[in-house]
Amino acid sequence: SAVISQKPSRDICQRGTSLTIQCQVDSQVTMMFWYRQQPGQSLTLIATANQGSEATYESGFVIDKFPISRPNLTFSTLTVSNMSPEDSSIYLCSVPGQGANGYTFGSGTRLTVV
Amino acid sequence: GDSVTQMEGPVTLSEEAFLTINCTYTATGYPSLFWYVQYPGEGLQLLLKATKADDKGSNKGFEATYRKETTSFHLEKGSVQVSDSAVYFCALIGSSNQFYFGTGTSLTVIP
Repeated sequence: SAVISQKPSRDICQRGTSLTIQCQVDSQVTMMFWYRQQPGQSLTLIATANQGSEATYESGFVIDKFPISRPNLTFSTLTVSNMSPEDSSIYLCSVPGQGANGYTFGSGTRLTVV
Repeated sequence: GDSVTQMEGPVTLSEEAFLTINCTYTATGYPSLFWYVQYPGEGLQLLLKATKADDKGSNKGFEATYRKETTSFHLEKGSVQVSDSAVYFCALIGSSNQFYFGTGTSLTVIP
């Protein structure tokens, strides 16, 4: 299965600033997914990032707040813009496995907004 | 639509106790079912999976059987260890090829 390197692993940010999270995959993948895990909650899909096209956002998430880049088949970034304390969460990237092997996840970025 | 309902936590057990975390699902067709584990401070890791009815997934002493008649995929372990303390997520991939997660169950094992 793919190996994902995600960084930063954690950050503490000031309100109103932006943070860009990076995910590097060791193989080429068509689809990458970005999830948010709020404290004590399950994972919520933010968007699907396909190379060469704009990301597809889930209900409740917008491009202005969470812009995504997907410049090639092994790399993607998610930016959390104009942050507020409500954005404090763990953010994870993910790629599909082969067949029914489930998804592989990055190690996550633990974001705290103060 | 597809969904996963997972036993609420937190769960606290003594070392060597028997563990069951319940998971039931709703899906059209024949989804693939998964258990993921999230150790403190780490990302999600695939623990085990089952892709068809009556399949049993197993790993690290954990087991879960795909029961189509009861639409369940309960996670079990006969003797838990302190190192099993983590959050466990039940999940499925259905016909839409989208991942659906349960809410997670936090397990704490005390010596």
